[in-house]
Formats: sequence, structure tokens, C-alpha cells
Amino acid sequence: TQLLEQSPQFLSIQEGENLTVYCNSSSVFSSLQWYRQEPGEGPVLLVTVVTGGEVKKLKRLTFQFGDARKDSSLHITAAQPGDTGLYLCAGNDYGQNFVFGPGTRLSVLP
Amino acid sequence: EAGVAQSPRYKIIEKRQSVAFWCNPISGHATLYWYQQILGQGPKLLIQFQNNGVVDDSQLPKDRFSAERLKGVDSTLKIQPAKLEDSAVYLCASSLVRGPDQETQYFGPGTRLLVL
Repeated sequence: TQLLEQSPQFLSIQEGENLTVYCNSSSVFSSLQWYRQEPGEGPVLLVTVVTGGEVKKLKRLTFQFGDARKDSSLHITAAQPGDTGLYLCAGNDYGQNFVFGPGTRLSVLP
Repeated sequence: EAGVAQSPRYKIIEKRQSVAFWCNPISGHATLYWYQQILGQGPKLLIQFQNNGVVDDSQLPKDRFSAERLKGVDSTLKIQPAKLEDSAVYLCASSLVRGPDQETQYFGPGTRLLVL
């Protein structure tokens, strides 16, 4: 059983569309991070959310941490082909395990 | 500023053979991590060093995997003997001081291992 679950597993959309991907757990997390990983490269940190209910924006990306600190979402507005990649959430549960979710593979078609 | 360097980028071996991966973290970064990323999964933390000491190796299969960071800079991860299920990308990351959830980890490009 995955400590962090992500949905959807795969997502293929047209340029200009909006999308939301989700990261869920039955455990409470002290913080959650979102990464993007492109083929042949390591993950790159996008954001860290630390407060329940927190919302952070990074250009066209909006990240939200659930009030109960068990889930998070990433919303992309007007997706572009450059957004294509594997989106990973990760974090420490209060049991001190740092884990990654399995990722959502996003493909944005021109 | 140079990023995290890893070598080799690709390695193909037969099962029961040995293999070693090398990582050079960003200069000045005290904390170094090794992750295993199996196809279709997120990275799994294998071991975390702070300087040359091990902070967490709870998920390292110690019967076949070993890692060292003798001078607190470069690190080597070894698998001996390799099994088919070890086929994965091995990622190295580094951060300044604190744990992976408290500050930015910078990842290298990874070593893609195929065990036949």
C-alpha cells in the first residue's frame, strides 16, 4: 500500500486546457512537496506547502495543502507543452518517513 | 554553480554481477541522498548521509546494497550481487544541511541500471 497516492496516473490534454492532479494519504504530513521530473532527468522541486489550508501560486500553477494535512492538489491553468512531465508529490509523515507518490504523468499536446 | 553529477549514466549487467554508482554533490552540501526509482513509481529513499555519517538507511537492502561517503563529499552506491528486480534509475540528491522535507533537494540525472 502506497503511503501517498496520486491521481490520475496518466493525463493527456490539449494546450490551453486546465487540469488538476491530486495527492492523497491516510497519514498526516508535516509538509508536502511537489516535483516535476522530465525524461532522463532527476526531479525538480516546484513548491513546499507546510500549513494546513495553505495555497501557493507559481505562475500558472496553484498548489493547495488540505486542511487536515493529508492531501494536496496541483492545478495548472492554460497548460503548455512545456508542462509535460511526471508530477510527483512527496513528504514526511509524522513517523519520519520521507516518501514519494507514484506520480501523475502529464502530456500536453500542441 | 555545477549541479549534482552522477556516473555512469547507463549500465547493463547480468544478474549476480556487481555494479557501483558514483555521485558528486553540489559543493558545500552536507546532506546526500540515494534513491531508487523503479519504472512507473516514485523515487524510494535508500540512504541519507549527513557529512560522512549515515542518518537513515532503513530502506537499504543491506544484504546486497552498500553505500559510503568517506570524506563527506563524493559517494558510492554498490550492489553485489545484482538481481533482476534491481533494474531501476538510481538518483543521487544533495541539500545544504537539513532533511528532505525541510529544504530543497537537488537531484542528479540518475544512473539507469538494467539487470539481465
